[in-house]
Amino acid sequence: GENVEQHPSTLSVQEGDSAVIKCTYSDSASNYFPWYKQELGKRPQLIIDIRSNVGEKKDQRIAVTLNKTAKHFSLHITETQPEDSAVYFCAASLDNQGGKLIFGQGTELSVKP
Amino acid sequence: DVKVTQSSRYLVKRTGEKVFLECVQDMDHENMFWYRQDPGLGLRLIYFSYDVKMKEKGDIPEGYSVSREKKERFSLILESASTNQTSMYLCASSFRQSEAFFGQGTRLTVV
Repeated sequence: GENVEQHPSTLSVQEGDSAVIKCTYSDSASNYFPWYKQELGKRPQLIIDIRSNVGEKKDQRIAVTLNKTAKHFSLHITETQPEDSAVYFCAASLDNQGGKLIFGQGTELSVKP
Repeated sequence: DVKVTQSSRYLVKRTGEKVFLECVQDMDHENMFWYRQDPGLGLRLIYFSYDVKMKEKGDIPEGYSVSREKKERFSLILESASTNQTSMYLCASSFRQSEAFFGQGTRLTVV
């Protein structure tokens, strides 16, 4: 089955710096890659997603890139703010499994003012 | 507003008890998921259902079973609770490959 590896497990940056979180997946048939943010004590919420027919997607300070050949995708956050501090999860999904969603281990991002 | 509701926020059960965790969604989603969240291990898929009465094992199904008799409800059953099943349990639902909406979580403690 699909396996998703996520790095780093913790990331500390200064406010205003950029943060990058990387994920690799094992099944080349995976074609949907969402990213979720989980603030302390809250439920995970989708922040951005990308499908396999697209190489990059941006939404304000957040961007995701996908390299299908290498089977990895990354989350980029620019101009980080303290409210970006949270745990971020990447995930991968295969359409022929009905949308089964497999998550990575999570990255705890800390943005220091 | 999509709503995914889990029946309990906190549960304390004894070893060997049969435990039921209930999840209800109000958006007519085909997919429903049960995950377990432990520090450093991320969200691990226990079971997945893509339609009524349909289920598929995730990465850690041992010791768990599920039931989906109605589209809006997905139940997770711990047949005989053990201390290593102490964890945060998260339910989610989605339309096929699209945004998954999570419940508020159930923190289960098995003593």
